[in-house]
Amino acid sequence: EIVLTQSPGTLSLSPGERASFSCRASQTVSSSNLAWYQQKPGQTPRLLIYGAYNRATDIPDRFSGSGSGADFTLTISRLEPEDFAVYYCQHYGSARWTFGQGTKVEVK
Amino acid sequence: EVQMVASGGGLVQPGGSLRLSCAASGFTFNNHNMNWVRQTPGMGPEWVSYIRNTGEVMYYADSVKGRFTISRDNARDSLFLQMNSLRAEDTAIYYCARGFQNAFDMWGQGTMVTVSS
Repeated sequence: EIVLTQSPGTLSLSPGERASFSCRASQTVSSSNLAWYQQKPGQTPRLLIYGAYNRATDIPDRFSGSGSGADFTLTISRLEPEDFAVYYCQHYGSARWTFGQGTKVEVK
Repeated sequence: EVQMVASGGGLVQPGGSLRLSCAASGFTFNNHNMNWVRQTPGMGPEWVSYIRNTGEVMYYADSVKGRFTISRDNARDSLFLQMNSLRAEDTAIYYCARGFQNAFDMWGQGTMVTVSS
């Protein structure tokens, strides 16, 4: 089973700054099966990126995904106040879907 | 507007059963694969089960295999999860989630399941 490890656990930044955080898989995975979500308190997860690089519907272009092999990154080019949340990566493979443990982006 | 409304959660004793339902609207339900995903407050989501749009293929997480059964009724735009032999570790919010490109693009609001004596 693929294990996804996200780092850092918490990122403290100010609005306007660039945010970048990592998702590392326990083995090489297909980029087409890697996704990213945003979750705010009391809300359901929101799909941001699918297939490692593709923005989901209505997702602003300040969100971008990159990476390949076992290392993937989500970047927010300039943090807006509504971007402070928890971010999860997710992988699909062999009839299983797995999530990372999350990175919390908090206001510095 | 896409909507998915989950129901059927509640408090149940260990070993008990519950049947969750998810009523979908605002999209062509029988065109989409569907899933149940659960989440314990403060933790990351955990995928539970998948069913193909036709209802012919189902997958389960190892943690629920043999105890949970996913099904759907395309005539009524509904998704179900029959949960038997419930354990304390099944306590979570259960979401129905629409499949898209090996990810989940729409999530219902969730129903809380608490397994406790």
